[in-house]
Amino acid sequence: AQKVTQAQTEISVVEKEDVTLDCVYETRDTTYYLFWYKQPPSGELVFLIRRNSFDEQNEISGRYSWNFQKSTSSFNFTITASQVVDSAVYFCALSESVNTGGFKTIFGAGTRLFVKA
Amino acid sequence: DAGITQSPRHKVTETGTPVTLRCHQTENHRYMYWYRQDPGHGLRLIHYSYGVKDTDKGEVSDGYSVSRSKTEDFLLTLESATSSQTSVYFCAISGREGYNEQFFGPGTRLTVL
Repeated sequence: AQKVTQAQTEISVVEKEDVTLDCVYETRDTTYYLFWYKQPPSGELVFLIRRNSFDEQNEISGRYSWNFQKSTSSFNFTITASQVVDSAVYFCALSESVNTGGFKTIFGAGTRLFVKA
Repeated sequence: DAGITQSPRHKVTETGTPVTLRCHQTENHRYMYWYRQDPGHGLRLIHYSYGVKDTDKGEVSDGYSVSRSKTEDFLLTLESATSSQTSVYFCAISGREGYNEQFFGPGTRLTVL
């Protein structure tokens, strides 16, 4: 069965520190997709990145970077030089196709990041 | 931004009453989802739809039903609301065909007294 574990419930850092959010997943499928979403204090959910199981290339987008390692079933998210605006809850998610069509997505419990000025 | 709206945005109701939440999209996407968000649980899938009149259960479907009579609307019904269904409910749609990242509505905060 699918499972997504975000072991860090809360992380607190000081502005300009680097921070890594961990995500470990379990799946029996060979084809799957991994995601990160951000939920700022205002409550909306914002899509950040998608990775498919065949693409282990790491990705960098500005201060954000993602490290996907199939060997350890991990998809970690690093914020470089954190800013107060990065304060949010971050969700890792795993998606697999289903026979009835479409995809089912399982979310981790989330990591709440506090960035202090 | 994906065109997804939810109504109502806030609702307070009493135990035992029926409640219907509406999700409306203007993106013409095939897949729509209902999640609930509770502290310590992240988002949990209630039901999803893969087309008009085509729906399936998620991991926490007990006590909920859904309907999708047209592409743009996906309704979530609590037949007889209980206090355990107090939560924030999010609707989501999938993106482009073949790309399954989800885009979320603003959420509905439901309180069952």
